[in-house]
Amino acid sequence: DAKTTQPTSMDCAEGRAANLPCNHSTISGNEYVYWYRQIHSQGPQYIIHGLKNNETNEMASLIITEDRKSSTLILPHATLRDTAVYYCIVRVASRRDDKIIFGKGTRLHILP
Amino acid sequence: SAVISQKPSRDICQRGTSLTIQCQVDSQVTMMFWYRQQPGQSLTLIATANQGSEATYESGFVIDKFPISRPNLTFSTLTVSNMSPEDSSIYLCSVGGGSGNQPQHFGDGTRLSIL
Repeated sequence: DAKTTQPTSMDCAEGRAANLPCNHSTISGNEYVYWYRQIHSQGPQYIIHGLKNNETNEMASLIITEDRKSSTLILPHATLRDTAVYYCIVRVASRRDDKIIFGKGTRLHILP
Repeated sequence: SAVISQKPSRDICQRGTSLTIQCQVDSQVTMMFWYRQQPGQSLTLIATANQGSEATYESGFVIDKFPISRPNLTFSTLTVSNMSPEDSSIYLCSVGGGSGNQPQHFGDGTRLSIL
């Protein structure tokens, strides 16, 4: 079973910041938080990941709480092309084992 | 990130036949993975395919149904054998990872419909 809990769906107005929450209360110390998104008819696209610290890249920001039990993905200026299913994943990997368990994700609708 | 190409991108097949899906990467990667995404569902890992070793299958998936080859560090195939309508899904390969700090990257998948 997935180790994360996300809302089933969310709406956000175009041009506003989209804040997608994720609960991972059973996360282990060596597990990273990853975010992917899947736009219709495409494979999952990597967005961002983090271990303890907040992270930012050209696509998004990731805010991880101090206890690491939850996180928020922030799309600073949402566009219609950001409409997708967003998956929050906790993941530990080694050279021999690297399983990603996908939950149901959050279906984000960007409204014009 | 690696560029991943899957062939075919889609196919419609007859019940009882088999189809081999190819995954080609533009760089050498140690770990490759095959996933299935059933209609309206999330992704489920089928198996991990490392070059030089037998594929490791997840619970509910068996080699006779989903044989996998991994002949080199840039290529893998997944065969869906003796297909039935329940096998209608998107099949995706991913590459990379092997470290918690390195993401996996996905191809765009093969959309398979069984009549």
